[in-house]
Amino acid sequence: SQQGEEDPQALSIQEGENATMNCSYKTSINNLQWYRQNSGRGLVHLILIRSNEREKHSGRLRVTLDTSKKSSSLLITASRAADTASYFCATDYQGAQKLVFGQGTRLTINP
Amino acid sequence: GAVVSQHPSRVICKSGTSVKIECRSLDFQATTMFWYRQFPKQSLMLMATSNEGSKATYEQGVEKDKFLINHASLTLSTLTVTSAHPEDSSFYICSANPMRGTGNTIYFGEGSWLTVV
Repeated sequence: SQQGEEDPQALSIQEGENATMNCSYKTSINNLQWYRQNSGRGLVHLILIRSNEREKHSGRLRVTLDTSKKSSSLLITASRAADTASYFCATDYQGAQKLVFGQGTRLTINP
Repeated sequence: GAVVSQHPSRVICKSGTSVKIECRSLDFQATTMFWYRQFPKQSLMLMATSNEGSKATYEQGVEKDKFLINHASLTLSTLTVTSAHPEDSSFYICSANPMRGTGNTIYFGEGSWLTVV
């Protein structure tokens, strides 16, 4: 399977704390993307990082990419209850537009 | 607003019947769309690539005769689950990209919940 892995599978923290999720993948990539999915809903694109980038920021989100280790991390700072969702990393498979998703991390922010 | 629309958002069908799910790109044309399936508390698994004007490309293990895909126009792809069984109950979600090449944002539909009873 080309599917990557994410850890932790579930994360529960207090509002205001930072949340870090990790993703590992198996093949070479052109880019890696992070998505959020609220329960029973579609995916919301959060951020895309290209293979030649090491770090990217977007608001409270910080994404790192280590292509030598085939891993990425998503940091959400100053978490809010509304950040409660599942977060998935996804890599472009063989350079195509189709995506290979990680297993996801279920994040719960406790008020 | 949504740039990729799926319909229906929820559908219940009887075992043995067929059900069609539509995926439309609202603001752009897409020669390629993708269909994913997601079981509860699991990740998304790519089922097939829908190609406008040609046959869909199915991933290994996905039955092409059971999951019929038609991409008749540049803004519409349909997935038909034929002879549905309870094990086909799942969340089906499509995606489309308005531009060719890599490194572009891919837009997902809101998904369609299928329950087979």
